[in-house]
Amino acid sequence: KAGVTQTPRYLIKTRGQQVTLSCSPISGHRSVSWYQQTPGQGLQFLFEYFSETQRNKGNFPGRFSGRQFSNSRSEMNVSTLELGDSALYLCASSSRVDRAGEKLFFGSGTQLSVL
Amino acid sequence: GENVEQHPSTLSVQEGDSAVIKCTYSDSASNYFPWYKQELGKRPQLIIDIRSNVGEKKDQRIAVTLNKTAKHFSLHITETQPEDSAVYFCAAMIREYGNKLVFGAGTILRVKS
Repeated sequence: KAGVTQTPRYLIKTRGQQVTLSCSPISGHRSVSWYQQTPGQGLQFLFEYFSETQRNKGNFPGRFSGRQFSNSRSEMNVSTLELGDSALYLCASSSRVDRAGEKLFFGSGTQLSVL
Repeated sequence: GENVEQHPSTLSVQEGDSAVIKCTYSDSASNYFPWYKQELGKRPQLIIDIRSNVGEKKDQRIAVTLNKTAKHFSLHITETQPEDSAVYFCAAMIREYGNKLVFGAGTILRVKS
């Protein structure tokens, strides 16, 4: 099985621009979660999608949004970029169908630099 | 609350020694506690997890203990090896806000040979 694929691997943007990141989960996985990773802050939860519906959301401003398509691929969008948005954005998929907690499979991430 | 506190932030041990990383959580309804290892430049990978109906779980040199009363759990690595050097993240499934996996800030483990 192919792993979780994230594109692009690297992105450089300037303040005020917007960006879209893509995540293709493992085949058969219907849950996709997004995390922001910065040094010293760990992995901050952005949101989770399951069967095209946002099932949960973290404490990020409305500039951060996402969606999931019928094939479970997910996109994350950040509008009006700020310098503080520079981070590694990781997505993770899981096959969980209930809320009992299940292993997350992470992608390699998209490294976003905002200049 | 939905905080997961992780200590220490950095840990250096001599090869062969044991390493212990501790995490505390705030949601008493949390029932799932995984640990992820992230090597430099790589993606996080699950190394062990424990559910709230179990107090301890072992997998070779790695063990996790859970104290539900005190709301803390720990990762124990015995006979550390240089390849154990990585960032380790604990996490807790926070049920208070609709079931989301909240991660600690991470521990940088360095195993000196």
